[in-house]
Amino acid sequence: KNEVEQSPQNLTAQEGEFITINCSYSVGISALHWLQQHPGGGIVSLFMLSSGKKKHGRLIATINIQEKHSSLHITASHPRDSAVYICAVSGSRLTFGEGTQLTVNP
Amino acid sequence: DGGITQSPKYLFRKEGQNVTLSCEQNLNHDAMYWYRQDPGQGLRLIYYSQIVNDFQKGDIAEGYSVSREKKESFPLTVTSAQKNPTAFYLCASSMSRGTQHFGDGTRLSIL
Repeated sequence: KNEVEQSPQNLTAQEGEFITINCSYSVGISALHWLQQHPGGGIVSLFMLSSGKKKHGRLIATINIQEKHSSLHITASHPRDSAVYICAVSGSRLTFGEGTQLTVNP
Repeated sequence: DGGITQSPKYLFRKEGQNVTLSCEQNLNHDAMYWYRQDPGQGLRLIYYSQIVNDFQKGDIAEGYSVSREKKESFPLTVTSAQKNPTAFYLCASSMSRGTQHFGDGTRLSIL
């Protein structure tokens, strides 16, 4: 079993829909990261959080330390949100989930 | 603007050749990392360096080598000992254990 599990692996949505991507982890962590990888391959860090909730624009990230679970929400999704979203946890090193491929259709 | 530059974007290697992937950062970060990404798998750590002239093996270091002679530069050499080198390679840097900043990656293919 991977230390970081994401679901779903693939997600297709219509423009405007509310999207949720989930991440569960099985190790002790100091922080959890949400990353966005665009088709060209470059990765951008969206959030780093160790408790509670963070919001940036239409993106919201939450973490429940007791349940070892985090969610990334996208409100009013748009085709430009189409990307791979990766969850990663900081322990002794950064451990990555396999990513969620999101496609938002117009 | 500050950032991480990886070059080249695409790289082709013949069997038996060593190739070197470049990674340069102007963020004044102490730590630098090399990851490998394969389809359907999470990023896996190849090597990392927390300070100049020092580096440690990650989870999949076999067949790879690195150097850290300058703070700004952390080149990765894929040697002929790496039997399955075709992959997407990402370099990252951070201040100590802070948020990692990633480059745009190099896609390596075998001819």
